[in-house]
Amino acid sequence: KAGVTQTPRYLIKTRGQQVTLSCSPISGHRSVSWYQQTPGQGLQFLFEYFSETQRNKGNFPGRFSGRQFSNSRSEMNVSTLELGDSALYLCASAVWLGGTEAFFGQGTRLTVV
Amino acid sequence: QQQVKQSPQSLIVQKGGISIINCAYENTAFDYFPWYQQFPGKGPALLIAIRPDVSEKKEGRFTISFNKSAKQFSLHIMDSQPGDSATYFCAASETYKYIFGTGTRLKVLA
Repeated sequence: KAGVTQTPRYLIKTRGQQVTLSCSPISGHRSVSWYQQTPGQGLQFLFEYFSETQRNKGNFPGRFSGRQFSNSRSEMNVSTLELGDSALYLCASAVWLGGTEAFFGQGTRLTVV
Repeated sequence: QQQVKQSPQSLIVQKGGISIINCAYENTAFDYFPWYQQFPGKGPALLIAIRPDVSEKKEGRFTISFNKSAKQFSLHIMDSQPGDSATYFCAASETYKYIFGTGTRLKVLA
């Protein structure tokens, strides 16, 4: 059974640019949630999608957005990148977040220069 | 506002010893409590999880103890091995999101 796949694994972007990250969940999982991991703030919740609907959103600025497609794949977008956006971005897939186990991908390491 | 407090921040244990990591929470709406293990450069891997109606759950060398009245839960790693050296995160689930503790960096000495 394939795990959670995140692409790309590494990204280097310049301040002011935008970036799109992709997450393919485990087959049969309809919940995809996104987290930002930094040494200073730890793992912070960004948003959660289920069947193409955003069900919850964390305390991040509107520059952070996401969406989910009908095949459960999800993307997150960060516009007008800032140096502080440099982080490991992780997605987790679950049949139902909070009701069943959630599995993380390897993450996308974003560096903003 | 940190809703899940994790301690200690770092832990050094001898091979064969018991590693204990503690977490405390305040929100009684939390209804699912997983523990994750993360190695450098990797995503967190689910170790074990518990619901508040269960006081203890054991899987192999890993045990969660849960105290609902105290709003605390802990991870015990029995017979700790050097391969267990990693960062461990507790988490709590509320409506469609996980809130994570700040992590414990465990080092098991050979």
